[in-house]
Amino acid sequence: DAGITQSPRHKVTETGTPVTLRCHQTENHRYMYWYRQDPGHGLRLIHYSYGVKDTDKGEVSDGYSVSRSKTEDFLLTLESATSSQTSVYFCAISEERRFYGYTFGSGTRLTVV
Amino acid sequence: KNEVEQSPQNLTAQEGEFITINCSYSVGISALHWLQQHPGGGIVSLFMLSSGKKKHGRLIATINIQEKHSSLHITASHPRDSAVYICAALYNTDKLIFGTGTRLQVFP
Repeated sequence: DAGITQSPRHKVTETGTPVTLRCHQTENHRYMYWYRQDPGHGLRLIHYSYGVKDTDKGEVSDGYSVSRSKTEDFLLTLESATSSQTSVYFCAISEERRFYGYTFGSGTRLTVV
Repeated sequence: KNEVEQSPQNLTAQEGEFITINCSYSVGISALHWLQQHPGGGIVSLFMLSSGKKKHGRLIATINIQEKHSSLHITASHPRDSAVYICAALYNTDKLIFGTGTRLQVFP
């Protein structure tokens, strides 16, 4: 989507390895979010950020960490990937209010083998 | 337990038909989102509403706060409307719960 990009788009990694996904925005939006999408579940919030160096946990944050050192970048790190973290990961941004007016990235398909 | 329920889970239609997708939520909310997920996986925000009705082109979203129910309607459906439609309810401004989606296929 315009203004928000995720990288990589696809990744296969081995169990136990660290993985970092990147979300980059050019919209200067305050809020950034990481979600995971799995069959049979709605999108679930992993972590979100409400400003540089300001982050908070979502409902499925175990095994994940995030960092936001610049307004435009929000990184999601799996410190030691597990097969249960195989999923599609979406980044989203919103401007003025938390959980309002979302723009989503195109998603990253992560497979942990 | 998912506090947002969508129905139907799957829906097929012929081109030109009027489509209705339903979303129910369990307790009071401050806003409700409707999203569209394309076959390629990308997600687009369609509507966010807290009362009444919103319209954009052939898409109409309604919400009935008292009945805890929202509907997404598509008039004159087209094969390009084929996608997964997702509703998400915002509880108390700090918890956004997503439904599992309704998969719509529109055939020519």
